[in-house]
Amino acid sequence: NAGVTQTPKFQVLKTGQSMTLQCAQDMNHEYMSWYRQDPGMGLRLIHYSVGAGITDQGEVPNGYNVSRSTTEDFPLRLLSAAPSQTSVYFCASSRDLNQPQHFGDGTRLSIL
Amino acid sequence: AQSVSQHNHHVILSEAASLELGCNYSYGGTVNLFWYVQYPGQHLQLLLKYFSGDPLVKGIKGFEAEFIKSKFSFNLRKPSVQWSDTAEYFCAVTPGGADGLTFGKGTHLIIQP
Repeated sequence: NAGVTQTPKFQVLKTGQSMTLQCAQDMNHEYMSWYRQDPGMGLRLIHYSVGAGITDQGEVPNGYNVSRSTTEDFPLRLLSAAPSQTSVYFCASSRDLNQPQHFGDGTRLSIL
Repeated sequence: AQSVSQHNHHVILSEAASLELGCNYSYGGTVNLFWYVQYPGQHLQLLLKYFSGDPLVKGIKGFEAEFIKSKFSFNLRKPSVQWSDTAEYFCAVTPGGADGLTFGKGTHLIIQP
């Protein structure tokens, strides 16, 4: 049972480049979410989804897009990377939004 | 929107000392409360949760937390810490039935042998 799988684990981008962080879960969870973790800031919610075809913004959505075409996958897109988006990104899933989250191992992203 | 405050950003203790990490939240309605732990280089793992019922909840590895509704608090405790408890601890809140999880900024706990 793989749980929540994030790829890549590390990525370096130049300012203005775009990329997609992948997140997949095999637990048939309806709720999926993306967080960014920055020193002294804890985890901040970027976007979340309560089911396939449904997404909503979290606390810090600017500069990020998401889609949820299947229950299993919840990719996070950076359209035009900025140095302020340098962070560690965690994807999480749960049966519903009130249940404990299962976290992926994270993607460490650096924007130069 | 709800917010979560963790009072101590860095805590240093010796092994066998008792631990209490503070957590307060701002939401006035029904809430679900969580404590997560992040060991160095790892992802977050659930320590314990409170949904309803007995306000004193027990989690893994000897941790417990007490929900005090009148104080909007959910403090984490452990009677005797071990070196392996060195980690970052996050309190999190979700209002029942709405929005997503809001995390506190975390407490970095260092246990000295």
